[in-house]
Amino acid sequence: NAGVTQTPKFRILKIGQSMTLQCTQDMNHNYMYWYRQDPGMGLKLIYYSVGAGITDKGEVPNGYNVSRSTTEDFPLRLELAAPSQTSVYFCASSDRDRDTDTQYFGPGTRLTVL
Amino acid sequence: SQKIEQNSEALNIQEGKTATLTCNYTNYSPAYLQWYRQDPGRGPVFLLLIRENEKEKRKERLKVTFDTTLKQSLFHITASQPADSATYLCALDEGGANNLFFGTGTRLTVIP
Repeated sequence: NAGVTQTPKFRILKIGQSMTLQCTQDMNHNYMYWYRQDPGMGLKLIYYSVGAGITDKGEVPNGYNVSRSTTEDFPLRLELAAPSQTSVYFCASSDRDRDTDTQYFGPGTRLTVL
Repeated sequence: SQKIEQNSEALNIQEGKTATLTCNYTNYSPAYLQWYRQDPGRGPVFLLLIRENEKEKRKERLKVTFDTTLKQSLFHITASQPADSATYLCALDEGGANNLFFGTGTRLTVIP
């Protein structure tokens, strides 16, 4: 059981470039989340999904897009990268609809936009 | 406005002492509250959950209290060890929402 995996671990982008952060979970969880974590700011929710084909915005969705075509995968797309998107990105999943929302996090992707 | 505040950004204590971390919230009505541990360069890891109708929860050297009147949770680590050094995050769940709301965390350092 690998849990939640994320790729890449690190990435440097130039302003205006695009990229996709990958997230996969093997726990058959319906709920998946994308957070960004900036120093001293805590975890901010970008997007979440309650199941395949269903996504919704979180607190800070601007500049990002997501899709959820399968239960396992929840990629996060950055279009036209900006320096303000420099952050650490975490993907998480949970079994919320069966029990409480204990979230399982991936190892994170550290993104720098220059 | 809604706020979740965790006592200080950093807390240093001597090995063997009890560490007490605070989570205060404003304008939330959490159905339950969770505590996570985060090590540098890693994702948060779930530690404990306490429901609104529970006063206290324990797991080995960890203890969590939840006071909905004071709008506060306390997280205790007894007989602290250097291996307990990490950032600890509290997270609120209002039940009706589809996500957790996280505090900014407290960085705990246990000094040998």
